[in-house]
Amino acid sequence: LAKTTQPISMDSYEGQEVNITCSHNNIATNDYITWYQQFPSQGPRFIIQGYKTKVTNEVASLFIPADRKSSTLSLPRVSLSDTAVYYCLVGARGDAGGTSYGKLTFGQGTILTVHP
Amino acid sequence: SQTIHQWPATLVQPVGSPLSLECTVEGTSNPNLYWYRQAAGRGLQLLFYSVGIGQISSEVPQNLSASRPQDRQFILSSKKLLLSDSGFYLCACKTGPTYNEQFFGPGTRLTVL
Repeated sequence: LAKTTQPISMDSYEGQEVNITCSHNNIATNDYITWYQQFPSQGPRFIIQGYKTKVTNEVASLFIPADRKSSTLSLPRVSLSDTAVYYCLVGARGDAGGTSYGKLTFGQGTILTVHP
Repeated sequence: SQTIHQWPATLVQPVGSPLSLECTVEGTSNPNLYWYRQAAGRGLQLLFYSVGIGQISSEVPQNLSASRPQDRQFILSSKKLLLSDSGFYLCACKTGPTYNEQFFGPGTRLTVL
């Protein structure tokens, strides 16, 4: 499984756009990039997943450059409720025929604190 | 959509005592199930995963064990707890079209004294 590196913590203010970058230099060809959000005393929550270029959903955007050695999670106009730990994970999707079975490896994550 | 129940929500146990944590899943059949542990201030560590009844794979050697007696039931056990077993235990199941999309339960906070 590819190792990921992301900032330990970030600070922002309400209404700002937040970009969290994750480095994954040894990402494999069949690896996908997945981001999770975790609030205190709760389980992580899936946010977004992508393979290359840009993916957008109702919560966030994920930007992946052509070399796929890094990715950036973008949270538009954050609010106080976005204060959480954000995890970047890299691994095979484990689709039919795969063998990873979705064995996720969580690093330390990025603690995002949104201030009023 | 899936729902995961975990109990108990919190547990305080003495060192050397046994442990049984239960996870049940609703809203899906034949799910891939996972047990994770999160120590205070740290990331999640995958402990066990199961692709079907009676099928358990262990990721980390330890004094814990897991069982899957029914399709939507996943149990984490220990015969003798250690201080290092303290943590936040999370059960998860695969959701969505890819295995990297997992849905997590509310967790059990275990403190071993």
